[in-house]
Amino acid sequence: EAQVTQNPRYLITVTGKKLTVTCSQNMNHEYMSWYRQDPGLGLRQIYYSMNVEVTDKGDVPEGYKVSRKEKRNFPLILESPSPNQTSLYFCASRQAGGPHEQYFGPGTRLTVT
Amino acid sequence: AQSVAQPEDQVNVAEGNPLTVKCTYSVSGNPYLFWYVQYPNRGLQFLLKYITGDNLVKGSYGFEAEFNKSQTSFHLKKPSALVSDSALYFCAVRRPNNAGNMLTFGGGTRLMVKP
Repeated sequence: EAQVTQNPRYLITVTGKKLTVTCSQNMNHEYMSWYRQDPGLGLRQIYYSMNVEVTDKGDVPEGYKVSRKEKRNFPLILESPSPNQTSLYFCASRQAGGPHEQYFGPGTRLTVT
Repeated sequence: AQSVAQPEDQVNVAEGNPLTVKCTYSVSGNPYLFWYVQYPNRGLQFLLKYITGDNLVKGSYGFEAEFNKSQTSFHLKKPSALVSDSALYFCAVRRPNNAGNMLTFGGGTRLMVKP
């Protein structure tokens, strides 16, 4: 089954404790992206990757890091989480080129206290 | 810069009645436009997209959307609403030559269909 998976689905942590949210897709997609969803703001792009070892900032990259060492994986790293990073996070992927739609993971709800 | 506006936080409609969820956009050039739906505790699911051609686009679950270039709108419609259509709907835009910056989303509209 074609899918994007994220882990963990729920995470409660404390300020400053480094964490990683994993994302994996099995569709051989070139493009992957991370979004955060906050009420009334829709989804805002954090980082995206156009292929292995190619990443770039989205609209709200501060406080986040990513890496793309393998085509299927695109982890999101919070080196020193803060309460304003409490949000619902989505990973997405799509094929390169053309107007292809994105496939989204199930989401990770992160709470930073 | 590109942007999307969904002017209604919530739309209420009775089951069996037609529904419209509004979306307007701002982008240079000809846009790609998308609608996604989010059910509780789920990721976003693709509904339909406009690329070029016919202004009326048909998508999943009986939804359709009408592209209006002069009004820069891409409203989502369905002739007869179902209770199961109740969900959060997002409109999104992407410039065709902006391959990396994937999508800009509106703030979302909650659709409530009452029996």
